[in-house]
Amino acid sequence: SQTIHQWPATLVQPVGSPLSLECTVEGTSNPNLYWYRQAAGRGLQLLFYSVGIGQISSEVPQNLSASRPQDRQFILSSKKLLLSDSGFYLCAWSGRPGEMLFFGSGTQLSVL
Amino acid sequence: AQSVAQPEDQVNVAEGNPLTVKCTYSVSGNPYLFWYVQYPNRGLQFLLKYITGDNLVKGSYGFEAEFNKSQTSFHLKKPSALVSDSALYFCAVRDGGGYNKLIFGAGTRLAVHP
Repeated sequence: SQTIHQWPATLVQPVGSPLSLECTVEGTSNPNLYWYRQAAGRGLQLLFYSVGIGQISSEVPQNLSASRPQDRQFILSSKKLLLSDSGFYLCAWSGRPGEMLFFGSGTQLSVL
Repeated sequence: AQSVAQPEDQVNVAEGNPLTVKCTYSVSGNPYLFWYVQYPNRGLQFLLKYITGDNLVKGSYGFEAEFNKSQTSFHLKKPSALVSDSALYFCAVRDGGGYNKLIFGAGTRLAVHP
């Protein structure tokens, strides 16, 4: 069966520090991968998606970047965090068109 | 552009009573619609989806949703609410651009009281 791992679960970082959040998927190949951000426990905003290794599409301009160095690995990064980057970050994957997205357990990022 | 609206920030219901969480959508073409549930500090769990076929879709944990094309609605329902159903519920529609991108509503907080 397929599983998705996301870490760390919580992270507290000072303003201006770098960021690296990692997500890996097991039990499937060539998944679509997604990074969402959830602010204040409500709506989700799609940040990035990827349909293959090295292929990244950004949905909104921001201080963050994403990379997909391997088929089932998706990384969210920043060189210098801002206070506004605080939030709950969720990684997700999907397979065939029309399938649902499967979400990881999320990372709560607090930038202080 | 595709969009979904969840008109209620919060829904309160007594345990054992039926519950409805509302969702309306706006899409070009045939809609792919989804419901997810989120418990505190957790990821989203898939409940059910509508792609095509019967307008009444059955999902996990006794939930179901009714697709109504004329009213562009996809309301989530359960005949008898449990206290453990208390959570944040999201309606979502697939973005028309492909790649299975989902556009989520703002979420509705369901509170089931004993």
